[in-house]
Amino acid sequence: SQELEQSPQSLIVQEGKNLTINCTSSKTLYGLYWYKQKYGEGLIFLMMLQKGGEEKSHEKITAKLDEKKQQSSLHITASQPSHAGIYLCGAPPLFNAGNMLTFGGGTRLMVKP
Amino acid sequence: DAGVIQSPRHEVTEMGQEVTLRCKPISGHNSLFWYRQTMMRGLELLIYFNNNVPIDDSGMPEDRFSAKMPNASFSTLKIQPSEPRDSAVYFCASSLGQGARAFFGQGTRLTVV
Repeated sequence: SQELEQSPQSLIVQEGKNLTINCTSSKTLYGLYWYKQKYGEGLIFLMMLQKGGEEKSHEKITAKLDEKKQQSSLHITASQPSHAGIYLCGAPPLFNAGNMLTFGGGTRLMVKP
Repeated sequence: DAGVIQSPRHEVTEMGQEVTLRCKPISGHNSLFWYRQTMMRGLELLIYFNNNVPIDDSGMPEDRFSAKMPNASFSTLKIQPSEPRDSAVYFCASSLGQGARAFFGQGTRLTVV
């Protein structure tokens, strides 16, 4: 079965600093989803990457997919306290398996004002 | 749109009791997913419905777990009998088509004592 490993597991950064979260798959990636979760709440969709080399940005968050490395990265520029939360990557186990996602263990981000 | 609605938000029950979790997907969505989140195992897919039909239930842990989707606007996840190790946050998600982004509910925090 597919496994997704996220690094780091937790991260504390000073407000205004940049940071990167990585998600590495044990198998071929057929797309990669990034979600954010705040404690006690559901998951909020951030971005979906479907093709190797694809890069998407939303506000100050950029995600890239490297199919060859079976890896995705999420980069936050000029972090803010509102970015705090748990970031989860998820991937379908097969081509066209859509939202039948296997998730990584999450990266807990804290942003110090 | 109200989003994916789950009820109850919190449930505390005694071991051996039957527990029913409810989900109302976003109107018009034809794919529905049940996930479970624990500290030990992270976020795991339990079952996936498409057009009210269970497509993949390989993630359902035991026969004690059952899920139904009697119509397009309602789904239940039942645990009978419940055990302390079932304690987790259970999420329901829906999407318009399997490959589209999934919207998650707020989750039901289940505690079995």
